[in-house]
Amino acid sequence: EVHLLESGGDLVQPGGSLRLSCAASGFTFSSYAMSWVRQAPGKGLEWVSAISGIGSSTYYADSVKGRFTISRDNSKNTLYLQMNSLRAEDTAVYYCAKGVSSGSARYFDLWGRGTLVTVSS
Amino acid sequence: DIVMTQSPDSLAVSLGERATINCKSSQTILYSSNNKNSLAWYQQKPGQPPHLIIYWASTRESGVPDRFSGSGSGTDFTLTISSLQAEDVAVYYCQQYYSNPLTFGGGTKVEIK
Repeated sequence: EVHLLESGGDLVQPGGSLRLSCAASGFTFSSYAMSWVRQAPGKGLEWVSAISGIGSSTYYADSVKGRFTISRDNSKNTLYLQMNSLRAEDTAVYYCAKGVSSGSARYFDLWGRGTLVTVSS
Repeated sequence: DIVMTQSPDSLAVSLGERATINCKSSQTILYSSNNKNSLAWYQQKPGQPPHLIIYWASTRESGVPDRFSGSGSGTDFTLTISSLQAEDVAVYYCQQYYSNPLTFGGGTKVEIK
């Protein structure tokens, strides 16, 4: 069965750092681009970042560029999001989402259940 | 960036009646390689992650009931639920994947009247 499981969400102070992980199973992980999408409490969806299947290309929303880094370890079927210089406005549920091609994420046919990141003092 | 604008923000429809959600992109999202519009629709039920229901503007994802349909071209798109069922209560989002950054509409909440 195909599955994505996020972890690493926590309460962190402004300016702090956090690393999210997403463990994938049930599909050939390296064949698909992956993304992080977030949802602030009671708000809509916001795409955060994407990475190609082999990890050679990465993309970021302007709101996180220079602070967040996406990466993947295809030997471990795991996607990561390193988040630095966190701000209150980064508070959200972070979803890991599977794209439908290797080069770019396009749309997302599989989502994890999300992990909550709260940035507050 | 391509801005996606959904309307209405919410709607209440009687069981068995039609629900129509609109999505407008700030520029064309027609992918020239296949002449299809780069638009997806998602359904998000309370406490759950989003679920893909439509891609390429009108292609239904496997397992999605045929009461869900997508249409439109250019910059104007529509998601139609032909006969609303109780399990369709959710927030619906459109998303363009024509260019980065990928962008979502603000969402439309569908409720039972």
